[in-house]
Amino acid sequence: GDSVTQTEGLVTLTEGLPVMLNCTYQSTYSPFLFWYVQHLNEAPKLLLKSFTDNKRPEHQGFHATLHKSSSSFHLQKSSAQLSDSALYYCALRDYGSSGNKLIFGIGTLLSVKP
Amino acid sequence: GPKVLQIPSHQIIDMGQMVTLNCDPVSNHLYFYWYKQILGQQMEFLVNFYNGKVMEKSKLFKDQFSVERPDGSYFTLKIQPTALEDSAVYFCASSSGQGAEVFFGKGTRLTVV
Repeated sequence: GDSVTQTEGLVTLTEGLPVMLNCTYQSTYSPFLFWYVQHLNEAPKLLLKSFTDNKRPEHQGFHATLHKSSSSFHLQKSSAQLSDSALYYCALRDYGSSGNKLIFGIGTLLSVKP
Repeated sequence: GPKVLQIPSHQIIDMGQMVTLNCDPVSNHLYFYWYKQILGQQMEFLVNFYNGKVMEKSKLFKDQFSVERPDGSYFTLKIQPTALEDSAVYFCASSSGQGAEVFFGKGTRLTVV
């Protein structure tokens, strides 16, 4: 079945350094990929969504590129900010199902230190 | 932005008792979902619901689980009877349509003792 893999459970960075959170996936189809961000005591919110035309989505300084050849959708940012500290989930939409089922990775906790 | 509200945020219940988790989805949304997250594991799909019916459910959606949204009120997840392995955070979500953005609530932490 479809799956999403996030290899790092915890990433600790110094403010100002670049961010890269890994996400790879397995899917029978060509899925849409998503990044959700969850700050402490908040609901998970959509950060980025892949496009069908290979454009690179960007939001709040974050970007991600869908590489079908390597089945990856890594999240990147050139310079980490303290406010980026949060839990980040990579997810794919399973088109094999009815409705909008999302399949999530385990999440990566990003901790940005001064 | 649009918000999904979940009530309560925490619930402790004795094993074998019934529990109902309530979700107030985004107004005018038509698709509703429940996800379950056991501590340290990923969020896993339980069920989706549209037009008064369950569209799809996972193997985690045991016979003891049920969902409904009577008369456009709360979208509820009922567990009867509860078991220790039901302890988890349950996230409710909603969307306006297939392919539309899915909005999540903050989750209800259920502890079965």
